Amino acid sequence: KAGVTQTPRYLIKTRGQQVTLSCSPISGHRSVSWYQQTPGQGLQFLFEYFSETQRNKGNFPGRFSGRQFSNSRSEMNVSTLELGDSALYLCASSPGTSGSIADTQYFGPGTRLTVL
Amino acid sequence: QKEVEQDPGPLSVPEGAIVSLNCTYSNSAFQYFMWYRQYSRKGPELLMYTYSSGNKEDGRFTAQVDKSSKYISLFIRDSQPSDSATYLCAMTSDNYGQNFVFGPGTRLSVLP
Repeated sequence: KAGVTQTPRYLIKTRGQQVTLSCSPISGHRSVSWYQQTPGQGLQFLFEYFSETQRNKGNFPGRFSGRQFSNSRSEMNVSTLELGDSALYLCASSPGTSGSIADTQYFGPGTRLTVL
Repeated sequence: QKEVEQDPGPLSVPEGAIVSLNCTYSNSAFQYFMWYRQYSRKGPELLMYTYSSGNKEDGRFTAQVDKSSKYISLFIRDSQPSDSATYLCAMTSDNYGQNFVFGPGTRLSVLP
């Protein structure tokens, strides 16, 4: 079974630009969550999508947005990039159907974003 | 004060040692507790999942939750060099959400 894939793996952007990251979940999984990981703040939850709808949202500004397609693939967009947005962005997929926390989240390898 | 605190390490132990990793938290509503392992340049992988207080054992790993003290632990017995990684605790209050709060992680090195 193929794992969670994220593209691109590495990205360099400049302040003010926007960026789109992509996540393909494990086949059959309908829930995709996005996280930001930085040395200072650790792993922070951005949002979760289930069946093309945002089901949960963390405490990030509106510059961070996402969407999910009918095939469960998800994209995350960050507009007007700031230096502090430099981080590892991880997505995690889970079945999501039971609505239970026991659904194991499987993480992708992440996209390393550097903002100059 | 952060919601979840964890000693960042690094923690270095000899092969075969018992490792104790800990997290403290401030939100008494948390009731689901997870431990993740993250190797360098990889995403986290779930090791253990515990609901409410108590112990859970899986092979060389034991997770303990003490809700009265707001303290959780992960013990690794007979530690191996392959256990060298960053260990993240995570917790949430919501059975229907994915809004986990993660600790900053403890970097563990098991020396052969």
